[in-house]
Amino acid sequence: NAGVMQNPRHLVRRRGQEARLRCSPMKGHSHVYWYRQLPEEGLKFMVYLQKENIIDESGMPKERFSAEFPKEGPSILRIQQVVRGDSAAYFCASSPVLAGGTDTQYFGPGTRLTVL
Amino acid sequence: AQSVTQLGSHVSVSEGALVLLRCNYSSSVPPYLFWYVQYPNQGLQLLLKYTSAATLVKGINGFEAEFKKSETSFHLTKPSAHMSDAAEYFCAVISSGSARQLTFGSGTQLTVLP
Repeated sequence: NAGVMQNPRHLVRRRGQEARLRCSPMKGHSHVYWYRQLPEEGLKFMVYLQKENIIDESGMPKERFSAEFPKEGPSILRIQQVVRGDSAAYFCASSPVLAGGTDTQYFGPGTRLTVL
Repeated sequence: AQSVTQLGSHVSVSEGALVLLRCNYSSSVPPYLFWYVQYPNQGLQLLLKYTSAATLVKGINGFEAEFKKSETSFHLTKPSAHMSDAAEYFCAVISSGSARQLTFGSGTQLTVLP
């Protein structure tokens, strides 16, 4: 059973460009989460999605960031007009749905975004 | 509201010595607690999780953690450190209920000395 897949693993963008990060959840998982890890910091929650629905985006910056999880295909985290402060590792996690909300989240290898 | 505090951003132990990584949580409702490990330039791997079934939780690679409600702690231990244990360790919490996002501690970098 393949794990959570993320691509690209490394992404370099110049200020003002767009970054698109992709995440394919584990087989059978219908919940996707995005987290950001800034240098020397822990992971911070960004957004929680189910197929075609954003469930919780309380951790997303108000501007330039968006996420989707279409009916077909991977989840996409999109960052428009990137700035140097967006440089970070972006991790995707997926989970199945278990009773009581105790679903374990399984993490992908991350995309390391560098903004020049 | 929920939060996690990891005491000690860097911990060094000798190979074969006891590993103790500290985690204290704050949660207004019964929590679910997790320990993840991150090796350099890799994603997070689940070590173990507490979901109220048993207070002593055994995980992979010889790690275990004990949930102590009175101390609001969930410390990670391993009796004998191995060089391959060198990594960053994150404690995380989900409060039971509708919220599903993990709240992470700031991490503890474990160094194992030969």
